[in-house]
Amino acid sequence: DAGITQSPRYKITETGRQVTLMCHQTWSHSYMFWYRQDLGHGLRLIYYSAAADITDKGEVPDGYVVSRSKTENFPLTLESATRSQTSVYFCASRGNSGEQYFGPGTRLTVT
Amino acid sequence: EDQVTQSPEALRLQEGESSSLNCSYTVSGLRGLFWYRQDPGKGPEFLFTLYSAGEEKEKERLKATLTKKESFLHITAPKPEDSATYLCAVQAIGEYGNKLVFGAGTILRVKS
Repeated sequence: DAGITQSPRYKITETGRQVTLMCHQTWSHSYMFWYRQDLGHGLRLIYYSAAADITDKGEVPDGYVVSRSKTENFPLTLESATRSQTSVYFCASRGNSGEQYFGPGTRLTVT
Repeated sequence: EDQVTQSPEALRLQEGESSSLNCSYTVSGLRGLFWYRQDPGKGPEFLFTLYSAGEEKEKERLKATLTKKESFLHITAPKPEDSATYLCAVQAIGEYGNKLVFGAGTILRVKS
């Protein structure tokens, strides 16, 4: 199916574990983004990518790592998960007019 | 620093009771203002883009307008299925990376 998908949709992990959230888009959009959404903070940008092998930090990058070896994939890795990283994570890609299209989200719980 | 403030935080309407949501923004130069709808447990869904003051966009019962300092999302004769969180975001001119700055959203509940 065309669009943007995320996996897993739900994840429970323990403090200190590494976890990777996957994002895949079928539009061949150049720009991709990772956000986290928390009550009281709204959507906050973690990292973004302008193209394959080009990534940059957003507002809240600490504790996260990204890579982009292919245009269609943009995985987000939590190197050593902390409870403060419990959140809902959204991946997005940018359309031709600047609008962003979001995936369904991954709900991550760190125990 | 670019900022977006949405009001009210929450709004309860009766079916058919028209109202407006507000999005005030501070940005060095506006490239675009975006409205999204978000249903519980889902990702934000793109609704509109506005580029310049005076511009209006419509979709079904929704109409978005833009001034130099704020945007309004007018909801005419809402139905229960319009219940959702509505998010506003801005992109600044010259913003490398095409980043958006989001407001906290307005939670809309429409009762039948």
